[in-house]
Amino acid sequence: KQEVTQIPAALSVPEGENLVLNCSFTDSAIYNLQWFRQDPGKGLTSLLLIQSSQREQTSGRLNASLDKSSGRSTLYIAASQPGDSATYLCAVCKETSGSRLTFGEGTQLTVNP
Amino acid sequence: EAQVTQNPRYLITVTGKKLTVTCSQNMNHEYMSWYRQDPGLGLRQIYYSMNVEVTDKGDVPEGYKVSRKEKRNFPLILESPSPNQTSLYFCASRLAGALYEQYFGPGTRLTVT
Repeated sequence: KQEVTQIPAALSVPEGENLVLNCSFTDSAIYNLQWFRQDPGKGLTSLLLIQSSQREQTSGRLNASLDKSSGRSTLYIAASQPGDSATYLCAVCKETSGSRLTFGEGTQLTVNP
Repeated sequence: EAQVTQNPRYLITVTGKKLTVTCSQNMNHEYMSWYRQDPGLGLRQIYYSMNVEVTDKGDVPEGYKVSRKEKRNFPLILESPSPNQTSLYFCASRLAGALYEQYFGPGTRLTVT
């Protein structure tokens, strides 16, 4: 059974710092990996999706990498801002249909002004 | 505005009283899914639907029913709610194909007493 772990569970940084969030998964036979952001009282917002054949994806200040063989992904946030404060979740998909997602519990990020 | 809507947003009910949480999307998405989010357990998939009249179980389907009679709607039905179904529920949708991002609704917080 696929298990997804995110470390750390919580992170507090000063504004402007570059930071890395980690995601690991036990079964390396994945089809894609996605990073989401969750704000309190709101649903999830998709940030980046990496196909299993890709090594990384970038969107603005966000960069996600994937090392499928080692079962790891990282989300790099450059020049963090208070507006980046949220919970970040990663999810892996095993099937090509994309029907089943397995989520990690998330990393709660606080960026202090 | 492209969105996934859920109703109600908050619901307190009693054990055994049937309830339905509605989910609707206006993006003509084929795929829809229901998740529940619990502290310490993360997001877990309840049911999903690849298209109209096509539904399948996720990881935690016990105690839930779904139907997909129309493309835009995917209601979650609790025939006889129990306290262990107290949770935060999310509906999501996307286009067919695993490489499309999922759009999430704002969530429904359900309390069963």
